[in-house]
Amino acid sequence: GNSVTQMEGPVTLSEEAFLTINCTYTATGYPSLFWYVQYPGEGLQLLLKATKADDKGSNKGFEATYRKETTSFHLEKGSVQVSDSAVYFCALKRLTGRRALTFGSGTRLQVQP
Amino acid sequence: DVKVTQSSRYLVKRTGEKVFLECVQDMDHENMFWYRQDPGLGLRLIYFSYDVKMKEKGDIPEGYSVSREKKERFSLILESASTNQTSMYLCASTKTASAYGYTFGSGTRLTVV
Repeated sequence: GNSVTQMEGPVTLSEEAFLTINCTYTATGYPSLFWYVQYPGEGLQLLLKATKADDKGSNKGFEATYRKETTSFHLEKGSVQVSDSAVYFCALKRLTGRRALTFGSGTRLQVQP
Repeated sequence: DVKVTQSSRYLVKRTGEKVFLECVQDMDHENMFWYRQDPGLGLRLIYFSYDVKMKEKGDIPEGYSVSREKKERFSLILESASTNQTSMYLCASTKTASAYGYTFGSGTRLTVV
């Protein structure tokens, strides 16, 4: 079946540090891949997406590249801010069959001033 | 501003009560979903719907049912609430094409006592 594996948190960084949150997936075919962010007390917001191999999604300084050969979609940011503190979810969506998103367990990021 | 609206932000119900969680979207999306979010488990799919009056079980449907009488509204029903259904419930909607991510509501935090 489909599954998404994320690195466990929390990840604690100082402001302006480099961020990587690892995400790998298992799926049949070539799914679309997503990163969502959940700020405290809020629902999930779409952060970025990629729909085919080698696509790079980007938004708000965050980037992730769809790597088919390693079945990965790692999230990166060059310089984090305190306001980036949130929970980040990696997810996939199949092209056929069940069209529901499959989520990873989430990674909490804490950025300290 | 397009959105998904969940009727209650916080709910407290007693064991054995029948509970209704309501979700409305104004984006004319075909697909709607109910997830529950628990620490360490990420988001787990309860039920989803591809069209009016259609519904499909997700990964954890036991103890829940759903209703979709109109395209914009998707209701989650706890037939007889139990304490292990205490959780954050998230509703989402999306267009059918795989490239679209979800739009989430802000969530309903349900406590069953």
